[in-house]
Amino acid sequence: DIVMTQSPDSLAVSLGERATINCKSSQNILYSSNNKNCLAWYQQKPGQPPQLLISWASSRESGVPDRFSGSGSGTDFTLTITDLQAEDVAVYYCQQCHSTPYTFGQGTKLEIK
Amino acid sequence: EVQLLESGGGLVQPGGSLRLSCAASGFTFSSSAMTWARQAPGKGLEWVSTIIYGGGDGTYYADSVKGRFTISRDDSKNTLYLQMNSLRAEDTALYYCAKSRSGAVSDAFGVWGQGTMVTVSS
Repeated sequence: DIVMTQSPDSLAVSLGERATINCKSSQNILYSSNNKNCLAWYQQKPGQPPQLLISWASSRESGVPDRFSGSGSGTDFTLTITDLQAEDVAVYYCQQCHSTPYTFGQGTKLEIK
Repeated sequence: EVQLLESGGGLVQPGGSLRLSCAASGFTFSSSAMTWARQAPGKGLEWVSTIIYGGGDGTYYADSVKGRFTISRDDSKNTLYLQMNSLRAEDTALYYCAKSRSGAVSDAFGVWGQGTMVTVSS
């Protein structure tokens, strides 16, 4: 199974500042059919289902603010949130869709400092 | 608007069974891979099972549920199912259904339902 490890487990960032969340996969998750990394980022606010932010490591979903960006390749990936807003408080998860079982990272809790 | 509405959760004794349903609307259900995922209280997300579109035997399961859970779909009713047998306390969780972002099996989960709670306890 591909293990997804996020860091840090939690972080506190001041409003207007940048938050960076890392995700490391135990295996390469490059999808051969399109040469893209099958890596997604989700945001989950309290009492709500997860919401897809980023697919294929760096493709932002429609309606997601451009403050959110994804990067990385191979086994190391990053979610960056610039100009942090109060509504960004949530738990963020990475997930690989390269092969079953489709594993998630343990989650990173983002709070306002 | 894409909508997914789960139902069928509840309290069940260990060893019991439940069938979850997920009613889909707002997209071509028959053309999308569908997934069940779960989240135990206060815990992270766990993938449970995925079914491809177009029929056939394209079903995938987490080892933790293989042999006990069965995913299926009725494209005529735009409904996804999860038959859960031999339930254990560790199956207690909020169960979500999710739609593949593009419809393909290997893609992110683009839309999630609100979830249905399953509690396994005596």
